[in-house]
Amino acid sequence: QVKLQESGPGLVEPSETLSLTCTVSGYSIISRDYYWGWIRQSPGTGLEWIGSIHHSGGTYYNPSLKSRVTMSLDTSKNQFSLKLTSLTAADTAVFYCARGTGSWNFDHWGQGTLVTVSS
Amino acid sequence: QSALTQPPSASGSPGQSVTISCTGSSSDVGAYNSVSWYQQHPGKAPKVMIYEVSKRPSGVPDRFSGSKSGNTASLTVSGLQAEDEADYYCSSFAGNNNYVVFGGGTKLAVL
Repeated sequence: QVKLQESGPGLVEPSETLSLTCTVSGYSIISRDYYWGWIRQSPGTGLEWIGSIHHSGGTYYNPSLKSRVTMSLDTSKNQFSLKLTSLTAADTAVFYCARGTGSWNFDHWGQGTLVTVSS
Repeated sequence: QSALTQPPSASGSPGQSVTISCTGSSSDVGAYNSVSWYQQHPGKAPKVMIYEVSKRPSGVPDRFSGSKSGNTASLTVSGLQAEDEADYYCSSFAGNNNYVVFGGGTKLAVL
């Protein structure tokens, strides 16, 4: 059974960098069949795709966030990570990690972690 | 890269059918068969209900169906049940920059 779990700080100060990790169990992140993605949801609003990373390390980012986003894999721990720089209050959101398929849908999701940007 | 357009709300009575639309462009919905629909209950993570326009993952009731015509995709929920009350989001691959775009979401009420 595939499970994903986000971890990271719940509170980050403005202008700082957010670092989140997603730990995957029940499936290897180096499988050729899937991508690994991050999606966020600001309070009371819809979903926003942040980016996806392939098992090869290839990355795909939302053009509106591309200048601030970096994703990476840690295959030894079966984890993937997100870094988002230059945070503002507008980045306050629930961040989800998810497994993405070859047809660019997300079939397994973590429970989500709330990140608040505030001083 | 604009979000896909969904109606903010939809409703139906138990047993009825309801259809939710998702309008994009010739760069996303119209160009690829990579349209998905997600159901999200309050405080929960989204769950994929339809992928590749009309395919249902294992375990999703056949009351849920998807289709596409031109730049607009649709999700139909037949035989509405109370547990179908949730937010629904569409998404599509948009190949110009290899990215995924979501709709703004539709709140489905079962009256």
